[in-house]
Amino acid sequence: QLQLQESGPGLVKPSETLSLTCTVSGGSISSSSYYWGWIRQPPGKGLEWIGSIYYSGSTYYNPSLKSRVTISVDTSKNQFSLKLSSVTAADTAVYYCARHRRGRATIHLDYWGQGTLVTVSS
Amino acid sequence: SYVLTQPPSVSVAPGQTARITCGGNNIGSKSVHWYQQKPGQAPVLVVYDDSDRPSGIPERFSGSNSGNTATLTISRVEAGDEADYYCQVWDSSSDPVVFGGGTKLTVL
Repeated sequence: QLQLQESGPGLVKPSETLSLTCTVSGGSISSSSYYWGWIRQPPGKGLEWIGSIYYSGSTYYNPSLKSRVTISVDTSKNQFSLKLSSVTAADTAVYYCARHRRGRATIHLDYWGQGTLVTVSS
Repeated sequence: SYVLTQPPSVSVAPGQTARITCGGNNIGSKSVHWYQQKPGQAPVLVVYDDSDRPSGIPERFSGSNSGNTATLTISRVEAGDEADYYCQVWDSSSDPVVFGGGTKLTVL
């Protein structure tokens, strides 16, 4: 059974960089059928897609966050990571990693991590 | 960017049928996916590619998509179906992954 697990600091100071890692177990991150990505959810609000990466390193980002986001992959560790720079209180959210399954002209998210709360505060 | 519009809330009595809509410009030309999220939990995929169900999802969950509206239908609603539901599409022209704003399903 595929499992994804987010890890990283739960508290980040304003203007600093948020860094999270997602470890994939029970399957290979190098499969050609999938992308791997990040989604966030501010407290009491809806889901916001952040971006995704293919095992080869190709990335797709939400245009509204693109200038601050970097997603990278480490196939040797079966992990992928998120960096979000210059954070503010508005970046406080539960951050989820998820497997993105490619279909014919579509993508859906079929496996999710449990999520990790990141609070931006001094 | 592509916008998906969902009603904020839907209420239904146990045993009845709940219908949650997701509106978007010519959404019928896209594949729509639906997620269920219970409080404090990660979202779970309940319908993909408009009407397919992942293994383990009850047949009570079904989907349809035509014109400018996609619909998630939950038959014989149970108390355990109370959750937030989100629709999602892939839009190649802008944000590749787009979510609707979510609908809170209340079981009366």
